[in-house]
Amino acid sequence: LAKTTQPISMDSYEGQEVNITCSHNNIATNDYITWYQQFPSQGPRFIIQGYKTKVTNEVASLFIPADRKSSTLSLPRVSLSDTAVYYCLVGGGNQGGKLIFGQGTELSVKP
Amino acid sequence: NAGVTQTPKFRVLKTGQSMTLLCAQDMNHEYMYWYRQDPGMGLRLIHYSVGEGTTAKGEVPDGYNVSRLKKQNFLLGLESAAPSQTSVYFCASSLRPPGTGKGEKLFFGSGTQLSVL
Repeated sequence: LAKTTQPISMDSYEGQEVNITCSHNNIATNDYITWYQQFPSQGPRFIIQGYKTKVTNEVASLFIPADRKSSTLSLPRVSLSDTAVYYCLVGGGNQGGKLIFGQGTELSVKP
Repeated sequence: NAGVTQTPKFRVLKTGQSMTLLCAQDMNHEYMYWYRQDPGMGLRLIHYSVGEGTTAKGEVPDGYNVSRLKKQNFLLGLESAAPSQTSVYFCASSLRPPGTGKGEKLFFGSGTQLSVL
C-alpha cells in the first residue's frame, strides 16, 4: 500500500492561497491520487482526483509532478468555511479495494 | 436519492453489550467500507467489502464483525462492546475501486457516534 505523508496542521488567513503537499514515494503505476475534505462531525467528501500534471475543478487544483512521488492540493483564496481536515489518498484498486487514510492535514483559516 | 445512510446516529452502550450498526446505500455500489474515527484522529479502516457476500479485514478489525448479505447493506457488529470502541463510525461506498481513476470516489455517511460506558 502506498503510504502518504502530510503536514499535521496548517494555518492561513482569509483570502490567501493554501497549498498542502502530500508525499507518496511508493505510489504504484496504476494509482490515482485523491483528496478528501472533512468538516467536524461530518464524513469526508471528495474534492479532487488526478493521475499526473494538473487537474482543476471549481473547488481546487491538484498539481502532480512527473515522478508522481508527491502531489499538492491548492485552495485559492480560502475562506473561514475552508477550515477542515484534508486527506490525501493514493490508489485502492491495486490493493483489492483496501483504502487506508493517512492522518490528514488540519487547516485552520483565520479572519 | 439518499446516498449513504447510517443507523443509528447516536448510541450509548454498557460494557459487554452488543449492537449492530447499519449502513445502507442506494447507488448500487459494489464497494463498502467501515471506518472509525477517534477524537482528533484520522480514519482507520475496520472492515470492507468488494461486493455482495464478501468481506475483508482492514487495519483494526478486532472486536468487530461484518456482513454483506445484500448489496445495498453493510452491517457492522460489536459482540461485546468495550470502552476502547467509543468512537465515531463512518460508512462509505464506491461503485468501483476508489483511486483507480475515472473520478472514482468514496461517498460517506454522516456517521454514528458510539459511546461505551
